[in-house]
Amino acid sequence: KNEVEQSPQNLTAQEGEFITINCSYSVGISALHWLQQHPGGGIVSLFMLSSGKKKHGRLIATINIQEKHSSLHITASHPRDSAVYICAVLYSGGGADGLTFGKGTHLIIQP
Amino acid sequence: DAGVTQSPTHLIKTRGQQVTLRCSPISGHKSVSWYQQVLGQGPQFIFQYYEKEERGRGNFPDRFSARQFPNYSSELNVNALLLGDSALYLCASSLGLADFYEQYFGPGTRLTVT
Repeated sequence: KNEVEQSPQNLTAQEGEFITINCSYSVGISALHWLQQHPGGGIVSLFMLSSGKKKHGRLIATINIQEKHSSLHITASHPRDSAVYICAVLYSGGGADGLTFGKGTHLIIQP
Repeated sequence: DAGVTQSPTHLIKTRGQQVTLRCSPISGHKSVSWYQQVLGQGPQFIFQYYEKEERGRGNFPDRFSARQFPNYSSELNVNALLLGDSALYLCASSLGLADFYEQYFGPGTRLTVT
């Protein structure tokens, strides 16, 4: 079964710290998503990547296709960034199989 | 513009009953996908519909079915409910097939089976 692994599972940091969350997957993909989920369940799509790097405000997402690895970075972290961050991939030719999700990284930013 | 909407927000059902969950996509989006998220786990793919046709199905039993209407809204039906069906059910819409377009998620329907 194709898996998506995220690390760390839990992360607590102080406000202002630089945050990195990692995601690795097992076979070729056509796209990778980074999602944010707040308590209560709502999911927000942060990035959709197939190569390279994307930046939106304080968030940066990178992907290395050869190494099958992606990272989500948060600069100048803030307590409002506290959430679960989920990596999800669409395997190549697997559109019919939908997204495969990681278990998420629980991030807490303390003031 | 309104985002993806789902109804109801919360639902409590008894084992053996049937349930219908509803999803309205963002205006102009033609694809709807359904996901199940059990507490403490990442979501799992159930169905993708595009232009009213099933375009993908996850590893779920036949008790789960869905359809998409001409206005692109969608319903997810679950028959013969089991305790294990208790979960947050998420709907996501995209302009086209999820292979190529970003998905936008609704707030979810929390189903509790007792």
